[in-house]
Amino acid sequence: NAGVMQNPRHLVRRRGQEARLRCSPMKGHSHVYWYRQLPEEGLKFMVYLQKENIIDESGMPKERFSAEFPKEGPSILRIQQVVRGDSAAYFCASSPAGDGYTFGSGTRLTVV
Amino acid sequence: GENVEQHPSTLSVQEGDSAVIKCTYSDSASNYFPWYKQELGKRPQLIIDIRSNVGEKKDQRIAVTLNKTAKHFSLHITETQPEDSAVYFCAASNPVSSARQLTFGSGTQLTVLP
Repeated sequence: NAGVMQNPRHLVRRRGQEARLRCSPMKGHSHVYWYRQLPEEGLKFMVYLQKENIIDESGMPKERFSAEFPKEGPSILRIQQVVRGDSAAYFCASSPAGDGYTFGSGTRLTVV
Repeated sequence: GENVEQHPSTLSVQEGDSAVIKCTYSDSASNYFPWYKQELGKRPQLIIDIRSNVGEKKDQRIAVTLNKTAKHFSLHITETQPEDSAVYFCAASNPVSSARQLTFGSGTQLTVLP
């Protein structure tokens, strides 16, 4: 089992560009969560998805951020028109039934 | 919503000593409490978890205690080793709710001095 796979590991974007972060959950896991970790801070919940459904996006900024988990393929976290404050590590986690998360290795986004 | 507070933010111990990290939570409906270890630049890794139907759980040198009445839980690491140095996060969730999200504490930087 390859675990939770995130790519890219590092992503550099200029202000105003779009960032796309991908997450493939563990085999058999149908619950995907995205968390953001600012430097030297804890993890903050962004969004919880199941296949083709957003279950809870209460932690996601209302503008510029969107997430999807299509029937086929990885979950995508999309950030449009990135700003310096979006620089952070973005972690995806998956679980089979809502707890017992396994985290991916994260994508470290740097906005220059 | 849930709020989790974690103390201390930094902790230094001598190798072989014990380390204790404490967390409090606000939502009395929360009933799942995992602890994660995160080494620099790496993913958070689950090291132990506890559910509200038990008061204590142990796994080798690591133990977690839970006091539901007081709404606090603690991580205990005995016989600490340099490789225990990392940031430790507590978290809480109510798996019964539709969100099933984890609310994390702010982390404790543990340094084990050789």
